[in-house]
Amino acid sequence: EAGVVQSPRYKIIEKKQPVAFWCNPISGHNTLYWYRQNLGQGPELLIRYENEEAVDDSQLPKDRFSAERLKGVDSTLKIQPAELGDSAVYLCASSLVGLLTGNTIYFGEGSWLTVV
Amino acid sequence: AQSVAQPEDQVNVAEGNPLTVKCTYSVSGNPYLFWYVQYPNRGLQFLLKYITGDNLVKGSYGFEAEFNKSQTSFHLKKPSALVSDSALYFCAVRDNSAGGGNKLTFGTGTQLKVEL
Repeated sequence: EAGVVQSPRYKIIEKKQPVAFWCNPISGHNTLYWYRQNLGQGPELLIRYENEEAVDDSQLPKDRFSAERLKGVDSTLKIQPAELGDSAVYLCASSLVGLLTGNTIYFGEGSWLTVV
Repeated sequence: AQSVAQPEDQVNVAEGNPLTVKCTYSVSGNPYLFWYVQYPNRGLQFLLKYITGDNLVKGSYGFEAEFNKSQTSFHLKKPSALVSDSALYFCAVRDNSAGGGNKLTFGTGTQLKVEL
């Protein structure tokens, strides 16, 4: 079974340029997450979707970040315009909410963004 | 608010020796606890989790962790370390109580270095 798929794996852009990341979750997983991981730190949640609904976007910087989850499957995360401080790894993850699963979250390989 | 503490930035151990990576947590309700491992330039891989039941849980690659409610700890252990275990390890907690918000909070990570 395929895991969480993300693209691109690496992206270098100049500040003020836009960038977009794409994620395909594990088949059947109803919950999708976008996390940001800065160097030497743990992941921090940006947004969580349950099916198509964004149920927690409190940590998403809405002035420059946007996300969508079309048809409750794939998702895109966009930054426009990018700033130097946005350099980080953007991790997509998915889970199947249920009592027996413990809502274990499975991560993709990440999209490594460098803003210069 | 829930939180996770990993008091050691780095743990060094000789190959063949037992290893312990420490984690303590704070939640207002019942905790679900997780360990993830991250290899260089990779995403987070799920190792093991505690939901309920036996306090000692076994996971991938020979790792295990012991849930201690009185000490609010969930230390990761392995009886015999391998050089290939060298990686960054993250502990995470989710508040399973009503109103917990289904949010997974990560620690800052512990770098494990296993030497010959």
